[in-house]
Amino acid sequence: QSALTQPRSVSGSPGQSVTISCTGTSSDVGTYEYVSWYLQHPDKVPKLIIYDVNKRPSGVPGRFSGSKSANTASLTISGLQAEDEADYYCCSYAGTYIWVFGGGTKLTVL
Amino acid sequence: EVQLLQSAAEVKRPGESLKISCKTSGYSFSSYWIAWVRQMPGEGLEWMGIIYSGDTGIRYSPSFQGQVIISADKSISTAFLQWNSLTTSDSAMYYCVRHSGLGAIDYWGQGTLVTVSS
Repeated sequence: QSALTQPRSVSGSPGQSVTISCTGTSSDVGTYEYVSWYLQHPDKVPKLIIYDVNKRPSGVPGRFSGSKSANTASLTISGLQAEDEADYYCCSYAGTYIWVFGGGTKLTVL
Repeated sequence: EVQLLQSAAEVKRPGESLKISCKTSGYSFSSYWIAWVRQMPGEGLEWMGIIYSGDTGIRYSPSFQGQVIISADKSISTAFLQWNSLTTSDSAMYYCVRHSGLGAIDYWGQGTLVTVSS
């Protein structure tokens, strides 16, 4: 399994919306509805923000949303805030008890 | 409260062996799957492998097959990650994580930093 493909970096101004893509294959993202997203602030433990493509855990703001089309999943953050600046990772189930992460995207809030 | 408590940071020489641990509490160990995730310095997350059904099922990412050994002792609700012969490229932060079924990782350990240097 190869890593899922994410843009290395994205940026946006406070209040704007940004979308981070996560491209896999028909063996992972394209087949399973088990895409999740995590954010990681510097030197911190990653935190779950989206699971099962578009579900939010309790406590995650509604500004975070997820979607999927074919082999590409997306994370959209609307109403950007300074604290959203972090690294974001997608992860997909790839069958037979194997998962794969994306390479990560650094979000800069301008 | 669900907790995954990992063993302390390690400093090792190339060629040495190592076994790090992840003690879980607050839930039934056999009902969830524990995986290991590597993060090399300044790099992204890499899913390494998983142990499920308590301790009877183990799967490795192809990238880590043959490089590490995942095990568990369900009598003490603890998972392990071990190396028989470390190399400098094994220097990284290692997280144990709990998978919520086929879906997301819902809990993370605090991480164990492994440094391999001569």
